[in-house]
Amino acid sequence: EVQLVESGGALVQPGGSLRLSCVVSDNSFRTSSMNWVRQAPGKGLEWISFITSGSSTMYYADSVKGRFTISRDNAKNSLYLQMNDLRDDDTAVYYCARDCNSPRPRPNWFGPWGQGTLVTVSS
Amino acid sequence: DIVMTQSPDSLAVSLGERATINCKSSQSVLYSFNNKNHLAWYQQKPGQPPKLLIYWASTRDSGVPERFSGSGSGTDFTLTISSLQAEDVALYFCQQYHDTPTTFGGGTKLEIK
Repeated sequence: EVQLVESGGALVQPGGSLRLSCVVSDNSFRTSSMNWVRQAPGKGLEWISFITSGSSTMYYADSVKGRFTISRDNAKNSLYLQMNDLRDDDTAVYYCARDCNSPRPRPNWFGPWGQGTLVTVSS
Repeated sequence: DIVMTQSPDSLAVSLGERATINCKSSQSVLYSFNNKNHLAWYQQKPGQPPKLLIYWASTRDSGVPERFSGSGSGTDFTLTISSLQAEDVALYFCQQYHDTPTTFGGGTKLEIK
């Protein structure tokens, strides 16, 4: 069964930067679109970014557009999220999730999901 | 953006009884091109990531027990658990993928009565 493992979460001050990583356990990664979804403590799910398998198409939620950048390295089965100018309301668990209908170049339904990595933005 | 509204916020059901969770979208998520509803359901147990249950509004993901079923079309959808088991205690979310950004409902907390 494919596994996704996120890393890079930390405590960071407002205005700071952080880079999250997600490693996928098998080569299905190379033909899969991928997503980042976050969940603030005790709250619901918020999709934040999408990237196609060949990195030709990327989408962002308005809440992170211009501050966050999604990227991937198919040779390393890895997905990344560069987060700049972090704010208090970016505090959340960040999940990477495989897109389940990759021929369609926009977010579809997701599975599986990683266990998540916690980002805390606080002074 | 399409707004997804779930009801109720929380639900307590006796073991073996039926549980019903509703999800309403602010606009239709039925895609005329393929006549499919772009609606998924997820289960999230405490301390775990979400797990896909259903996509295309009514297609169970591989390995999902038959007691889970999805129904509805257009703007109104339902997740039904036909006979509640103890391991079904969780948060349940609906998601529309008709438009970008994809959006989730606020979640329904399911407990045992």
